[in-house]
Amino acid sequence: AQSVTQPDIHITVSEGASLELRCNYSYGATPYLFWYVQSPGQGLQLLLKYFSGDTLVQGIKGFEAEFKRSQSSFNLRKPSVHWSDAAEYFCAVGPGSSNTGKLIFGQGTTLQVKP
Amino acid sequence: DTAVSQTPKYLVTQMGNDKSIKCEQNLGHDTMYWYKQDSKKFLKIMFSYNNKELIINETVPNRFSPKSPDKAHLNLHINSLELGDSAVYFCASSFNQGYEQYFGPGTRLTVT
Repeated sequence: AQSVTQPDIHITVSEGASLELRCNYSYGATPYLFWYVQSPGQGLQLLLKYFSGDTLVQGIKGFEAEFKRSQSSFNLRKPSVHWSDAAEYFCAVGPGSSNTGKLIFGQGTTLQVKP
Repeated sequence: DTAVSQTPKYLVTQMGNDKSIKCEQNLGHDTMYWYKQDSKKFLKIMFSYNNKELIINETVPNRFSPKSPDKAHLNLHINSLELGDSAVYFCASSFNQGYEQYFGPGTRLTVT
């Protein structure tokens, strides 16, 4: 069955520290992968996506993610966290070649930033 | 300009009532979606339409009926509302099935 796991429900980091949010997926074919961010009371904003090609992808707000096929992972990273990054982060997977557009989301990781 | 908009933003209603949520996108996308986010923030797709044609219809009670009058609009009508329908409902759109999806601000539905 297709699934996405974000092992960390809640992460707290200090402002200026580096960040890595983990995402593991289970999918039969080559997936499309996404990271979204949701600020309190807001909709989801796309941070970055991976369809094919270079396995290190750059996104908005200084985020990047690396696709590792051997580990079925798509971890999100940021070298220096800002207080405004505090939010809920969702990893999502969509089918690749036979695309129906159906995204499967992980359960989310809440990021808290300490001053 | 708002890319994906939803109305209303908040909806409080009583059990048994019928309500609708409207969604509009001005991105020129072909595909639109409805997602439900529960109290634990878990997001699950409900429906998707591609050029007014129903593509995805997940295991959703038939009290929920989507309608797409044109490819820029996707509305969600809910009959006989139940307490368990309380959630945040998100509309999204994409250029085509499989491309990145852009989300609206959500509609928080509270059923009392």
